[in-house]
Amino acid sequence: DGGITQSPKYLFRKEGQNVTLSCEQNLNHDAMYWYRQDPGQGLRLIYYSQIVNDFQKGDIAEGYSVSREKKESFPLTVTSAQKNPTAFYLCATLQRGPGNEQFFGPGTRLTVL
Amino acid sequence: SQQGEEDPQALSIQEGENATMNCSYKTSINNLQWYRQNSGRGLVHLILIRSNEREKHSGRLRVTLDTSKKSSSLLITASRAADTASYFCATDRSGGSEKLVFGKGTKLTVNP
Repeated sequence: DGGITQSPKYLFRKEGQNVTLSCEQNLNHDAMYWYRQDPGQGLRLIYYSQIVNDFQKGDIAEGYSVSREKKESFPLTVTSAQKNPTAFYLCATLQRGPGNEQFFGPGTRLTVL
Repeated sequence: SQQGEEDPQALSIQEGENATMNCSYKTSINNLQWYRQNSGRGLVHLILIRSNEREKHSGRLRVTLDTSKKSSSLLITASRAADTASYFCATDRSGGSEKLVFGKGTKLTVNP
């Protein structure tokens, strides 16, 4: 998990509220990603950003929004439009090279009450 | 979309035994990677195998790739209780995409 911090580790939200998950990195990587993981499932891509001030929708972007104003930061907002937001959220960066290896943060577990 | 599909979904073995996990995928790839996830944590990169490689070793890990069958296997030899985790394959598709596509994972339990 070194180099990528996600906060908070646990987050509780009432239905109808927006909530923002933080992701900060000191790896100097250009590309950053947000994934959602449901119990017993793999990772599904929400949004990704290949460079500052640019981002693209992933496979399940509806109900989420992001910004990429700084290289180090890629916050994810879970909006009230997301119908089933309870999940484990993982932020990752990409080390460009022959392998395109991704580095992951420790994750944020979001529970909607 | 889920490109990689691992099997089995769950595997339980005794310490000292070998564990084999398989991954199948659907499209052409640049490389295939294996990641490990301890419960409630982020993923950690284990090993990468390029599309022109057939086998790769790293410590107790052995990865094979068969591009004609679009499949890969991860072998962990002489397993330890500390190997208990979920293991995911991820494919880096041909065409320069910087997106990895992850499978659903194999949950490995190594009993002491």
